[in-house]
Amino acid sequence: EAGVAQSPRYKIIEKRQSVAFWCNPISGHATLYWYQQILGQGPKLLIQFQNNGVVDDSQLPKDRFSAERLKGVDSTLKIQPAKLEDSAVYLCASSLDLWASGRGQETQYFGPGTRLLVL
Amino acid sequence: LAKTTQPISMDSYEGQEVNITCSHNNIATNDYITWYQQFPSQGPRFIIQGYKTKVTNEVASLFIPADRKSSTLSLPRVSLSDTAVYYCLVGEGNFNKFYFGSGTKLNVKP
Repeated sequence: EAGVAQSPRYKIIEKRQSVAFWCNPISGHATLYWYQQILGQGPKLLIQFQNNGVVDDSQLPKDRFSAERLKGVDSTLKIQPAKLEDSAVYLCASSLDLWASGRGQETQYFGPGTRLLVL
Repeated sequence: LAKTTQPISMDSYEGQEVNITCSHNNIATNDYITWYQQFPSQGPRFIIQGYKTKVTNEVASLFIPADRKSSTLSLPRVSLSDTAVYYCLVGEGNFNKFYFGSGTKLNVKP
């Protein structure tokens, strides 16, 4: 079974530029998550999709971050304009279906992440 | 969001059993407890999950006391390859949302 795919693996940009990350979840997984992981910290959830609908984006800085999952499969996370503090690893994860079992029982499968450096 | 508290780091030697305890005082009645492992430059990976008492799989055991306010991940006979960060998570409501915290950095020495 193929895992969660992410691209690019690395990206270096200057502040105020824009950048986009792509994620392809495990086939058949309805729920998709984007996390931001700053060096030395645990992952922080940015946005959560169920199919093509947003379940939670309470921690997404909406003035500069946006995400979409138009056909309920692949997803794109964009930052525009980037700031120095956006330097982090951006992780995508997927799970089968968050409505199938509640209370945090769903296993999340993570991709390798995209390492972003903003200069 | 139910938060967890774990030791920042632990040291061990190859072949020893390692126990990492996590505190989750605000766990809700139906929440599950899940542990993930993360190696450098990789995404977290599921290790084990439980609701109460004891759960065991091929890589670890999870001990959960009756009050469920804490849990202990037990790694039997660790090797150098078990050097990683271990996260204890508690599910949030019905949305499968986790608070990762900073995790426990386990350093296994030869």
